[in-house]
Amino acid sequence: SSELTQDPAVSVALGQTVRITCQGDSLRSYYASWYQQKPGQAPVLVIYGKNNRPSGIPDRFSGSSSGNTASLTITGAQAEDEADYYCNSRDSSGNLVVFGGGTKLTVL
Amino acid sequence: QVQLQQSGPGLVKPSQTLSLTCAISGDSVSSNSAAWNWIRQSPSRGLEWLGRTYYRSKWYNDYAVSVKSRITINPDTSKNQFSLQLNSVTPEDTAVYYCARDEGAVAGLYYYYYMDVWGKGTTVTVSS
Repeated sequence: SSELTQDPAVSVALGQTVRITCQGDSLRSYYASWYQQKPGQAPVLVIYGKNNRPSGIPDRFSGSSSGNTASLTITGAQAEDEADYYCNSRDSSGNLVVFGGGTKLTVL
Repeated sequence: QVQLQQSGPGLVKPSQTLSLTCAISGDSVSSNSAAWNWIRQSPSRGLEWLGRTYYRSKWYNDYAVSVKSRITINPDTSKNQFSLQLNSVTPEDTAVYYCARDEGAVAGLYYYYYMDVWGKGTTVTVSS
């Protein structure tokens, strides 16, 4: 079982805004990072830290955190955003790495 | 530009040892800020972190509880790479295995870590 909990699936209409959440006690001390994974590809970092985007990630991706919940928001979702999204952080001890179970995003 | 190149067999027999290598270019396995991770993914488990090695004046390793008794991750400074060995494999170890670089920082009261560079993945099947 994962110490980070994500909804298994979320859908959004093309051009609308969607929020994907990640819950866990360790998120009170650590910011989550977020990864996008498309079929047959390695995960790609899309958000890290308080709200940082690696070079090349569109600014429609943003991150936020409150209490034990981290959120990834896509403002104006595009068809190419359809993918699995994973959050990642440390466990409660701070020593081990954990991933959420992943959220499958469908763009309608 | 940092790149990770994975290598190793795609088929391992049950009870044997799974061995993979991740060669680093553009960074050093002895970096004082990065950690070098192995992660795997199977349809039933999603992304599962296996362990990491990192250098902070000396070498450290952390391993996931689920594989701690069977796993070894070693750095090789002469070749600037790191390796994964997973012993006594079963079909449950069938997965795509990834290596990844992990960086960290602090922002106010929060720490954060992120895996910004990934290998392409190696599909490993455990079967006789």
